[in-house]
Amino acid sequence: GDSVTQMEGPVTLSEEAFLTINCTYTATGYPSLFWYVQYPGEGLQLLLKATKADDKGSNKGFEATYRKETTSFHLEKGSVQVSDSAVYFCALSENNAGNMLTFGGGTRLMVKP
Amino acid sequence: EADIYQTPRYLVIGTGKKITLECSQTMGHDKMYWYQQDPGMELHLIHYSYGVNSTEKGDLSSESTVSRIRTEHFPLTLESARPSHTSQYLCASSRYISTDTQYFGPGTRLTVL
Repeated sequence: GDSVTQMEGPVTLSEEAFLTINCTYTATGYPSLFWYVQYPGEGLQLLLKATKADDKGSNKGFEATYRKETTSFHLEKGSVQVSDSAVYFCALSENNAGNMLTFGGGTRLMVKP
Repeated sequence: EADIYQTPRYLVIGTGKKITLECSQTMGHDKMYWYQQDPGMELHLIHYSYGVNSTEKGDLSSESTVSRIRTEHFPLTLESARPSHTSQYLCASSRYISTDTQYFGPGTRLTVL
């Protein structure tokens, strides 16, 4: 079956540091890939997505590129802020699965001033 | 901004009580979902619905039940709450398009004493 693997956290960075959160996936077809963010006490929000190979999703300074050859969708940001502290979830949706999401385990990011 | 609402946001209740967690969306989405999020952050799909009068069980077995009498409303009920039901419950909705995102509510944090 489908699966998503994320690097375990917590990831602790200083403000303005470079961020990478690794995400790899296993899927039988050609999935769409998503990054969701969950701020403390809130539900999940879509951060960015990519629907086909080599697509780059971007939002709020975050980027991720759909790499079919390495089955990866790593999240990056050039300069993190304290306000980026949250839990980040990588997810996939198979194109024939009617929008059912398979989530990774989540990675907690803590940014210190 | 997503228009999906959950009430209550926090609930502390004694063992054996019947509870209903409310979820409503104003986006006209056909699909709705309930997730259980454990303290380790991992998300587990417990119920979903394709539309009115449709309900399906998710990947994680749950003692809760759901109903979908109206498109916008997808309540979750526990007939007899137990401490093992203590968790965060997240509701989500989406269109029936595989590349589309799921929109999440803010969650209900349930504590059963």
